[in-house]
Amino acid sequence: NAGVTQTPKFQVLKTGQSMTLQCAQDMNHEYMSWYRQDPGMGLRLIHYSVGAGITDQGEVPNGYNVSRSTTEDFPLRLLSAAPSQTSVYFCASRPKSNYGYTFGSGTRLTVV
Amino acid sequence: EDQVTQSPEALRLQEGESSSLNCSYTVSGLRGLFWYRQDPGKGPEFLFTLYSAGEEKEKERLKATLTKKESFLHITAPKPEDSATYLCAVQAGGGGADGLTFGKGTHLIIQP
Repeated sequence: NAGVTQTPKFQVLKTGQSMTLQCAQDMNHEYMSWYRQDPGMGLRLIHYSVGAGITDQGEVPNGYNVSRSTTEDFPLRLLSAAPSQTSVYFCASRPKSNYGYTFGSGTRLTVV
Repeated sequence: EDQVTQSPEALRLQEGESSSLNCSYTVSGLRGLFWYRQDPGKGPEFLFTLYSAGEEKEKERLKATLTKKESFLHITAPKPEDSATYLCAVQAGGGGADGLTFGKGTHLIIQP
């Protein structure tokens, strides 16, 4: 039981490049979400999903796309990276039965 | 708008010196209040969920309490391995939205 797995752990992008941050969970959790963590800002919600095929925006969705084709996977796409997207990104999941989220170990992204 | 404020931002204690961390919140319809521990370079690790005022949860040297406006994380006789950043988050109710609103955290250092 691996929990929430995020790949890659580290990534450097040039401004304007695109990439996908991967997130997979093996706990059959219905709910998944993406957060970014910046110094002095705390964790902020980017997008969330309440089940396969259903996604919605969080507090800071601009510049990011998501989709949820399976229960297990919830990738986060950056279509045209900007330096303001330099951050640590965390994926999390929870079961429908309680509100406690389990977090992955994060992806540290630098956009130059 | 949901808000979570944690204090102090940083706290340095001697080993064995008990103290409390504060989390005050403003939320429309609290579904749950969460405490997480985060070590450097790692994702948040779940500690407690509190659902209603008056509720208390304990785990080893940690005890979390909840009132209608704030939560406290009490640390009794801490050890150096309790050094970490402690995060408070709320899950608000209503409208089918999901995800957590986090405070900025309290950075706790326990000196031997």
